[in-house]
Amino acid sequence: DAKTTQPNSMESNEEEPVHLPCNHSTISGTDYIHWYRQLPSQGPEYVIHGLTSNVNNRMASLAIAEDRKSSTLILHRATLRDAAVYYCILRDRSGYSTLTFGKGTMLLVSP
Amino acid sequence: GAGVSQTPSNKVTEKGKYVELRCDPISGHTALYWYRQSLGQGPEFLIYFQGTGAADDSGLPNDRFFAVRPEGSVSTLKIQRTERGDSAVYLCASSFRTGSSSGANVLTFGAGSRLTVL
Repeated sequence: DAKTTQPNSMESNEEEPVHLPCNHSTISGTDYIHWYRQLPSQGPEYVIHGLTSNVNNRMASLAIAEDRKSSTLILHRATLRDAAVYYCILRDRSGYSTLTFGKGTMLLVSP
Repeated sequence: GAGVSQTPSNKVTEKGKYVELRCDPISGHTALYWYRQSLGQGPEFLIYFQGTGAADDSGLPNDRFFAVRPEGSVSTLKIQRTERGDSAVYLCASSFRTGSSSGANVLTFGAGSRLTVL
């Protein structure tokens, strides 16, 4: 799987938007961009994924650059419950590869 | 069940002992994955099953680690002659089938089994 680069940590205030960046300059044309997050003492949970177009769901939005070499996970209004480690992961469209996690971005949310 | 169930949630053992960790995936999920997570690190892939067979076991660190899924549902991760370095949280995940353009498939993780080797 192609490598992703994320900041080690970010801080936000409650009820403010959060933009979590991810660089994946070696992405291939068949790679999906997946985002998972891991709350303290829990297993990772799925957040969102996309291929080329921007995506929205009830948890977040995913903005994908036109050249697909970077993406941004957007939390529209951060809550204390959003404090977690966020992982940006590339996965080949075939699905034969597994998810390869990096260290992710630790998001700290202040009241 | 509604989610991926892992037992035990915590296991403390002594160096050299044998340990089994169990994973009960979501009903209908044919793919099952095992990961290991050390403190401050992201989850590290160990093995995944498609049905009963191990489709990729390239992440198993050595021959002390073995996993089975005899009926294509519940899986057991077995660790022989445990060492202190095996201490970690062992995570299990499941998803619908792999392959055939399933790269968009979502993995659902359990809460993990925390293994401590004294």
